[in-house]
Amino acid sequence: NAGVTQTPKFQVLKTGQSMTLQCAQDMNHNSMYWYRQDPGMGLRLIYYSASEGTTDKGEVPNGYNVSRLNKREFSLRLESAAPSQTSVYFCLLESSADYGYTFGSGTRLTVV
Amino acid sequence: KNQVEQSPQSLIILEGKNCTLQCNYTVSPFSNLRWYKQDTGRGPVSLTIMTFSENTKSNGRYTATLDADTKQSSLHITASQLSDSASYICVVSASNTDKLIFGTGTRLQVFP
Repeated sequence: NAGVTQTPKFQVLKTGQSMTLQCAQDMNHNSMYWYRQDPGMGLRLIYYSASEGTTDKGEVPNGYNVSRLNKREFSLRLESAAPSQTSVYFCLLESSADYGYTFGSGTRLTVV
Repeated sequence: KNQVEQSPQSLIILEGKNCTLQCNYTVSPFSNLRWYKQDTGRGPVSLTIMTFSENTKSNGRYTATLDADTKQSSLHITASQLSDSASYICVVSASNTDKLIFGTGTRLQVFP
């Protein structure tokens, strides 16, 4: 997953706590995505950003906010974490050339 | 509704044996289909990508096929190795949207 850095790799939160997941890229891609992966389900899109300063809701946006202040970084924020948000979160980059997609290494979040 | 279904859900094979994973989709209008390998605790990594006009694509011991008429794809793994133990995810793109539609994956375990 070179070129895509996700932090943190692991996090445990108490219900109601807040946190921000960070995704940074050095691949100069415009489109960035946040997905969550849960057992027995395909990856589901939370939010995406087609370019710096723009964001759009995906399939499961409730309980999340995002920020794309510059081309390099796309952050996902949980304002008040709930146990239902226990999941593995992946940042995804889309390359405009040859349908390329690159995943980050993931953040495993547990909300207790 | 755009959907991607994979079978089997899980598979156990012995090292050195071949296996075939299936992906059926109802995504329309079809743009492309990808197969990803996801090792435990890691982000998915692309194996192959096929557009409408392609019916086979190889990447080492991995060979993907696509039948756009029946909307089916398969991933064939030849001479399996222990390192092939992973989840394999089928992902389909529609040409009228930025969204990816993910299958739930096939978990493959290769035993010595």
